[in-house]
Amino acid sequence: QQQVKQSPQSLIVQKGGISIINCAYENTAFDYFPWYQQFPGKGPALLIAIRPDVSEKKEGRFTISFNKSAKQFSLHIMDSQPGDSATYFCAAGTLRSARQLTFGSGTQLTVLP
Amino acid sequence: EAQVTQNPRYLITVTGKKLTVTCSQNMNHEYMSWYRQDPGLGLRQIYYSMNVEVTDKGDVPEGYKVSRKEKRNFPLILESPSPNQTSLYFCASSSLQGGYTEAFFGQGTRLTVV
Repeated sequence: QQQVKQSPQSLIVQKGGISIINCAYENTAFDYFPWYQQFPGKGPALLIAIRPDVSEKKEGRFTISFNKSAKQFSLHIMDSQPGDSATYFCAAGTLRSARQLTFGSGTQLTVLP
Repeated sequence: EAQVTQNPRYLITVTGKKLTVTCSQNMNHEYMSWYRQDPGLGLRQIYYSMNVEVTDKGDVPEGYKVSRKEKRNFPLILESPSPNQTSLYFCASSSLQGGYTEAFFGQGTRLTVV
């Protein structure tokens, strides 16, 4: 049973455009929502994370929007660049579950020059 | 440099031949875990360890074993590999101090079982 559903599976955006990746979760006990970025041949690396006590977190061109009532969160990449082309994973976790992270299925983002 | 090191990076083996994938971290992290990455399924946790001699099953533990005899090392053991264990494997570590902390991933081990 997949507890974190991620969409779309793949996304193609023009340079300068906005990339939006969505995730939905089921377990209301989740209290930590990170996004990881993975380049080909590399392991995932933390990009940005949010706790449910805020509705939005912004770091540079990357923004997480969080909707607790809808159990959804999304990653927005503003002014997308070819260097942003990578696979993005949303995840959810809880301190009460030994910091296990449940990952979404991933989104392969391609930013065209 | 803070890092998680996995070896080997690539491995082709035959069904039933025992193998070990090593993982080592130099950040003195208490928490270590193994994931497998498959297309369309994302990252699924195999096993995790909260400290030396403390391990527990993740979401997909069948066919795998782990051990945590030293804080820095967390090897993944496949006693009798099968083709359905062909996958990309990642080791990760994180600190248990304070609130949530970043999980650091190794570069991955691509395993093919024929």
